[in-house]
Amino acid sequence: GNSVTQMEGPVTLSEEAFLTINCTYTATGYPSLFWYVQYPGEGLQLLLKATKADDKGSNKGFEATYRKETTSFHLEKGSVQVSDSAVYFCALSSVNSGYSTLTFGKGTMLLVSP
Amino acid sequence: GAVVSQHPSRVICKSGTSVKIECRSLDFQATTMFWYRQFPKQSLMLMATSNEGSKATYEQGVEKDKFLINHASLTLSTLTVTSAHPEDSSFYICSPRSIDTQYFGPGTRLTVL
Repeated sequence: GNSVTQMEGPVTLSEEAFLTINCTYTATGYPSLFWYVQYPGEGLQLLLKATKADDKGSNKGFEATYRKETTSFHLEKGSVQVSDSAVYFCALSSVNSGYSTLTFGKGTMLLVSP
Repeated sequence: GAVVSQHPSRVICKSGTSVKIECRSLDFQATTMFWYRQFPKQSLMLMATSNEGSKATYEQGVEKDKFLINHASLTLSTLTVTSAHPEDSSFYICSPRSIDTQYFGPGTRLTVL
């Protein structure tokens, strides 16, 4: 079956540090890949996505590239801010019984200090 | 962006009672509703999928008679945990989908004593 593995947190960084959160996946076919972010007390929000190999998703300074050869979709940001503190979920979508469903990783908490 | 509300945000109940969780899409119509459960330090696990006016499709291992899902309208879905037990304590998240975009509610923390 499909699965998503992402690095365990929390990841603790100082403001303006470089961020990498690793994500690898196992899936049949050609899934789309996503990063979601969950701020405290809020629902998950789509951060970025990529739908095919070598696509790069980007948003708010975050980037991730769909690497089919390494089955990875690592999240990066060149300079994090305190406001980036949140839980980040890597996910893939697949079609199951006619529905497109999401499979999530366990989430990685990011804590950014001033 | 789209707004999804869940009510209540937190609930504590006694073992054996039933709890209803409401999920509303406030500014769009949800043709499909997903319900997830999240245990501490675990990923979101899909419980069931429902289309408006149809019976829900449950994932393997999820008891349909215990977790009753109603998707009576395009803006409201409910999840009822019947005869709750301590092992049902978890974080429940609804996720309505409109066309090709999936949104998420803020979640409901259920604690069963």
